[in-house]
Amino acid sequence: DAGVIQSPRHEVTEMGQEVTLRCKPISGHNSLFWYRQTMMRGLELLIYFNNNVPIDDSGMPEDRFSAKMPNASFSTLKIQPSEPRDSAVYFCASSSGTGGLGYTFGSGTRLTVV
Amino acid sequence: AQSVTQLGSHVSVSEGALVLLRCNYSSSVPPYLFWYVQYPNQGLQLLLKYTSAATLVKGINGFEAEFKKSETSFHLTKPSAHMSDAAEYFCAVIPSGAGSYQLTFGKGTKLSVIP
Repeated sequence: DAGVIQSPRHEVTEMGQEVTLRCKPISGHNSLFWYRQTMMRGLELLIYFNNNVPIDDSGMPEDRFSAKMPNASFSTLKIQPSEPRDSAVYFCASSSGTGGLGYTFGSGTRLTVV
Repeated sequence: AQSVTQLGSHVSVSEGALVLLRCNYSSSVPPYLFWYVQYPNQGLQLLLKYTSAATLVKGINGFEAEFKKSETSFHLTKPSAHMSDAAEYFCAVIPSGAGSYQLTFGKGTKLSVIP
């Protein structure tokens, strides 16, 4: 089991540029989550997919953020245009269900927008 | 909305000493409870979870946590700290009930282990 795989591990981009973060969930997991971690706000849920369908995107900060899950083995989080305040660590997590199962997190993408 | 409070953003213990990290939740109905650990520049790893079975839950790396409904607490303990335990620890909750998915994290407690 390779775990949840995220790429890239680090991304430095200039303000205004488009950024795409990628996630490959654990095979067989039907729930996928994107989280953002910052010093100020801690860990926040951005969006939740179930069976590739977005169920809850209420945590997406604004229209500059979008997420897709075209199939069960791939998801993207896109920021366009990026701003310095988007600098954070973005985590993807997956699970075979919800409730008390617990989620498996990837190693995260550290995004720096200059 | 569910919330979780971790007392102490930083805790320091000597190697070999007891580790106690505190977590309290706010919910009239006991939620699902979790402890995650985050090592520097890494993702979050599940240590243990409470899902309404045994109140004393054993996890990986010698950690355990006890669910106390009367105190709305789920404190994490380890009898003897090791240098490798130095990391940040997060308590998290999901509301109990079918279909619940909102995993809410506490602010985290950074554990330092002094040789």
